[in-house]
Amino acid sequence: QLQLQESGPGLVKPSETLSLTCTVSGGSISNTNYFWGWIRQPPGKGLEWIGSIYYSGNTYYNPSLKSRVIISVDTSKNQFSLKLSTATAADTAVYYCARHGRVGQWPVDYWGQGTRVTVSS
Amino acid sequence: EIVMTQSPATLSVSPGERATLSCRASQSVDSNLAWYQQKPGQAPRLLIYGASTRATGIPARFSGSGSGTEFTLTISSLQSEDFAVYYCHQYDNWPPLTFGGGTKVEIK
Repeated sequence: QLQLQESGPGLVKPSETLSLTCTVSGGSISNTNYFWGWIRQPPGKGLEWIGSIYYSGNTYYNPSLKSRVIISVDTSKNQFSLKLSTATAADTAVYYCARHGRVGQWPVDYWGQGTRVTVSS
Repeated sequence: EIVMTQSPATLSVSPGERATLSCRASQSVDSNLAWYQQKPGQAPRLLIYGASTRATGIPARFSGSGSGTEFTLTISSLQSEDFAVYYCHQYDNWPPLTFGGGTKVEIK
């Protein structure tokens, strides 16, 4: 059974960089059928896709966050990571890592349990 | 960007009754539409994909319909464990992947 697990600091200071890692187990991040993404959910609000990466390193970002986001992959560790620079209180959210398929082929199906990140001094 | 709009925002239903949730896309997404259930403190759970196919282990009381821009999730007879927030999600055209704002199904 595929499992995803987020890890990283739960508290980030304003203007600093939010960094999270997702560890995938029970399957290979190099599976050519899937992409690996980050989705966040501010308190009491809906879901916002941040961006995704393919095992080859190709990245896709939400235009609304593109200038601040870097997603990377480490296939040797079966992990992918998120860096969100210049954090503000608006970035306070539960961050999920997730798996999805190609355009028009497969939705987000597996999710991590989520990790709460608060941006505050 | 394809904008997904869900209605109503909140639906009050008695246990055993039928619930009908709507999702509209700002442009056609063909049948590339999924539905999720989210309970407090949990990650979303995939219920429906391809607009109408139940995911593994999802009870038959959940059904999806629609194509193009109009979609419906129906819960035929609400059980206590079904009270939650439901999201629709289009994967027809990305980036960006987009989600609806959610419908909260609450006990009447």
